[in-house]
Amino acid sequence: ETGVTQTPRHLVMGMTNKKSLKCEQHLGHNAMYWYKQSAKKPLELMFVYNFKEQTENNSVPSRFSPECPNSSHLFLHLHTLQPEDSALYLCASSQDRTSGNEQYFGPGTRLTVT
Amino acid sequence: GQNIDQPTEMTATEGAIVQINCTYQTSGFNGLFWYQQHAGEAPTFLSYNVLDGLEEKGRFSSFLSRSKGYSYLLLKELQMKDSASYLCAVTYNTDKLIFGTGTRLQVFP
Repeated sequence: ETGVTQTPRHLVMGMTNKKSLKCEQHLGHNAMYWYKQSAKKPLELMFVYNFKEQTENNSVPSRFSPECPNSSHLFLHLHTLQPEDSALYLCASSQDRTSGNEQYFGPGTRLTVT
Repeated sequence: GQNIDQPTEMTATEGAIVQINCTYQTSGFNGLFWYQQHAGEAPTFLSYNVLDGLEEKGRFSSFLSRSKGYSYLLLKELQMKDSASYLCAVTYNTDKLIFGTGTRLQVFP
């Protein structure tokens, strides 16, 4: 148990669907992150929130829309996705954005776009 | 760019020692992490190096040379459960964590 939970663990959606991924951290952290992990590629940072404010959008297409209502919850809203968006989406949290703070990862949501 | 390079796959035998190397671009370097990720699971923190030298934590040790842009993770007395991917990740001045592709280690009996 890492203190970071993600739901759902698996998701299959069509290209016209709208779905949301949820992340919750129980560690009292102030920074939360979305990463994309595709086969044979490095973990790619998508979004960063620090004290509920978005501080980073790593050139992510607008079909991915993050939301951070409070320091404990992070959502990733998905719409009109493409098959190449199929990947493992990992949420992480850290104490804050200070370099050196380890990130705690959730188990991920395995997304398949058909 | 800020490429992080590590071998794609390695194999080793139970009880042996294995060294996983990682090289990175030194400009703007802040620190280096190693994470372990079992198949289908979350990455978990192993070590963090900022200063040159070796940091030992039980069976796992991590080494850093800032001037050479080089790190390694040393795993001793390998166990079957050590079969996993090992991710090298570097923070630069932007505080962004840049990951390598990971090294998939398979431990055989």
